[in-house]
Amino acid sequence: DAGVIQSPRHEVTEMGQEVTLRCKPISGHNSLFWYRQTMMRGLELLIYFNNNVPIDDSGMPEDRFSAKMPNASFSTLKIQPSEPRDSAVYFCASSSGDSDTQYFGPGTRLTVL
Amino acid sequence: SQQGEEDPQALSIQEGENATMNCSYKTSINNLQWYRQNSGRGLVHLILIRSNEREKHSGRLRVTLDTSKKSSSLLITASRAADTASYFCATDSSSYKLIFGSGTRLLVRP
Repeated sequence: DAGVIQSPRHEVTEMGQEVTLRCKPISGHNSLFWYRQTMMRGLELLIYFNNNVPIDDSGMPEDRFSAKMPNASFSTLKIQPSEPRDSAVYFCASSSGDSDTQYFGPGTRLTVL
Repeated sequence: SQQGEEDPQALSIQEGENATMNCSYKTSINNLQWYRQNSGRGLVHLILIRSNEREKHSGRLRVTLDTSKKSSSLLITASRAADTASYFCATDSSSYKLIFGSGTRLLVRP
């Protein structure tokens, strides 16, 4: 199994630009999570999808953040417009319905100048 | 707010020694998990212990759970340089939501 795939691995953009992060979960997993990791706040859950439906988006910082899961094998996290404080590593993770274990992707390191 | 807090924040040991990391949490849980994160990588699941279990082993890893004290410990025996990483405990505040601690940075010196 290829594991959770994220792209791009690194993104450098300027303030005000739109940023789109992509995730392909492990095949057969029906739960998908987006996390953000920073030195100050640690690892935070942004949004949780189950069977492609957003169940909990209480961690999404503000309206500038949006996430979609159009099908079971693809999800996006979009930031528009981006701000320097959005600089962080963004992780996607997936799990199967009968498991508490989450499998993480390698992350996208976002730098907003 | 963070549910789990690891102690110590950083730990440096010699290869071959044992490493012990502790995690404390605030509310009741169904299970507690430990994850490892190598520098620049995603988190990797190590072990899960359920609330009705007191101890669990996996290879060189030993995890204990004391629900009365709301604490867990992760012991890595006979450490290797490759064990150098950050270690996080994660507790479930709901059926799907994991709350991660701030992590322990472990350095194993060759």
